[in-house]
Amino acid sequence: DQQVKQNSPSLSVQEGRISILNCDYTNSMFDYFLWYKKYPAEGPTFLISISSIKDKNEDGRFTVFLNKSAKHLSLHIVPSQPGDSAVYFCAASAHNNDMRFGAGTRLTVKP
Amino acid sequence: DAGITQSPRHKVTETGTPVTLRCHQTENHRYMYWYRQDPGHGLRLIHYSYGVKDTDKGEVSDGYSVSRSKTEDFLLTLESATSSQTSVYFCAISDPQTSGEQFFGPGTRLTVL
Repeated sequence: DQQVKQNSPSLSVQEGRISILNCDYTNSMFDYFLWYKKYPAEGPTFLISISSIKDKNEDGRFTVFLNKSAKHLSLHIVPSQPGDSAVYFCAASAHNNDMRFGAGTRLTVKP
Repeated sequence: DAGITQSPRHKVTETGTPVTLRCHQTENHRYMYWYRQDPGHGLRLIHYSYGVKDTDKGEVSDGYSVSRSKTEDFLLTLESATSSQTSVYFCAISDPQTSGEQFFGPGTRLTVL
């Protein structure tokens, strides 16, 4: 039972354009959402998070949007850079330390 | 980077043998976690610890046990490895009093033949 879903296994964008990664969840008890970035042969690194009391959080080129009614969140990267090429994982928790992850989306940013 | 190391980084073993993976942290974080990463599944929680000698099961705990005798070390044991346990294993730590993020180690690639 995958409570967090990333339906796009891969995404390719041109350098300088916007990358939009999407994530859907089913558990209405989730109240904290995170995005992690993972390079090959490394552990995931935290990118950005959002609490359920907000609908947007911005950090430099990265913005996360949360639509609670649709149980959907998205990560926007603008402008995209070749160094952003990685696998991005969406994660959600209900503050009980049981964090659920999506399957990941592989982003490729072409020069 | 948070001070998290995992050992070994790579291991090949045979079905039926016991395997222990170690996670070591220097951040004094209370919570520690073990995940496995498999294609199509993302990361799935195996077990976690919320203090010395305090552990609980995660989503995919069958076939795994853990121990935490010191704040800095969290061990994951496969009592009798099976081919379905071939995976990449990640340790993570967190300090819920300061933030909700988990910080991950570099991973251990385990192959069970």
